[in-house]
Amino acid sequence: EDKVVQSPLSLVVHEGDTVTLNCSYEVTNFRSLLWYKQEKKAPTFLFMLTSSGIEKKSGRLSSILDKKELFSILNITATQTGDSAVYLCAPQRGGYNKLIFGAGTRLAVHP
Amino acid sequence: EPEVTQTPSHQVTQMGQEVILRCVPISNHLYFYWYRQILGQKVEFLVSFYNNEISEKSEIFDDQFSVERPDGSNFTLKIRSTKLEDSAMYFCARESVNTGELFFGEGSRLTVL
Repeated sequence: EDKVVQSPLSLVVHEGDTVTLNCSYEVTNFRSLLWYKQEKKAPTFLFMLTSSGIEKKSGRLSSILDKKELFSILNITATQTGDSAVYLCAPQRGGYNKLIFGAGTRLAVHP
Repeated sequence: EPEVTQTPSHQVTQMGQEVILRCVPISNHLYFYWYRQILGQKVEFLVSFYNNEISEKSEIFDDQFSVERPDGSNFTLKIRSTKLEDSAMYFCARESVNTGELFFGEGSRLTVL
């Protein structure tokens, strides 16, 4: 059975801190891994990772995938209050590209 | 501008009633998905729809559920006889043909009383 574990489940930091969010997975016919940010409603796309060891960056956010050890991390540097959200990790199965979501990491950034 | 537009944003219905949730992709894509999220729980896959046919469905997607693309543009999810446990946010998603990235609509909140 497919399994996605995100840690920590929740995290409280102050503005300016750097955070690392973890995602480990066991997914049949793995194709890629996607990260999303969920504030009030819909998940908004952050990254799609297909290859091991290649860091993807977008501003203060970066992410990397390790397909041998079956995990991914999402880093956020110089956090801001606007980064407060639930961050979702979603490995994707090949074939019909179904996403299997983790429970998420709830990040709270205090001023 | 959202990648996909979903309507209604919120629907309240009585148990046993039929509901139709709609999704309008902004541009023409082949792969569409429905996911749902019960309050406080994980986002769950319901069904994938490729080239106007169901390609994969989860065990949640039983005979009460159906999907259609009636006019080649709108993409609908129908729940025939709603149950209390169908109360959730329902998200439509489309896949980018070029990159494989998956983008979600704003969601339709369904409340079954």
